[in-house]
Amino acid sequence: EADIYQTPRYLVIGTGKKITLECSQTMGHDKMYWYQQDPGMELHLIHYSYGVNSTEKGDLSSESTVSRIRTEHFPLTLESARPSHTSQYLCASSERVPTDTQYFGPGTRLTVL
Amino acid sequence: GESVGLHLPTLSVQEGDNSIINCAYSNSASDYFIWYKQESGKGPQFIIDIRSNMDKRQGQRVTVLLNKTVKHLSLQIAATQPGDSAVYFCAENGFGNEKLTFGTGTRLTIIP
Repeated sequence: EADIYQTPRYLVIGTGKKITLECSQTMGHDKMYWYQQDPGMELHLIHYSYGVNSTEKGDLSSESTVSRIRTEHFPLTLESARPSHTSQYLCASSERVPTDTQYFGPGTRLTVL
Repeated sequence: GESVGLHLPTLSVQEGDNSIINCAYSNSASDYFIWYKQESGKGPQFIIDIRSNMDKRQGQRVTVLLNKTVKHLSLQIAATQPGDSAVYFCAENGFGNEKLTFGTGTRLTIIP
């Protein structure tokens, strides 16, 4: 069982609100990731980090931003939420070696009205 | 660009039967492959992995087969149970690539 946590699990908010999705892992993993996933669809990488103070944009363009001030914490922020941001957001982490197996959190289902 | 794709979007299997989920990949440099299971409302869960220097790897009720010649990966689940109903994703990581590339996913439904 992977020790990676996401809060909140569900969030319903109005358009224009600023939100932060939290992700924490207690495995000491260097690498962390954020994916966006619509129901029944594939995962799209939106952000990743190799370690503290490292953040990179993923394959899918996203209006969200991330920060990595501590190894265990990788929050994702939307400054002004819009209905098009409605989706499931999944956080994952992995060790650099010996494999890149990613371990996922339970996800945050975001609905923007 | 490089992609990982699955042959079938849905698969229904009678409880107790074996199931096979297939995955094709196009990156010849792919070095490491993973199968994930995602149940409704949850994050993907690691099932089994295999490196490119292997053809077969077995776990508990699951077997992954890798055919590098045709760039094909499969997940076999033996004696399926209702709890096996989920979406299954394959993912690959090319050598030196820091990121995983995920396939579209196959929804497996176990019929009681």
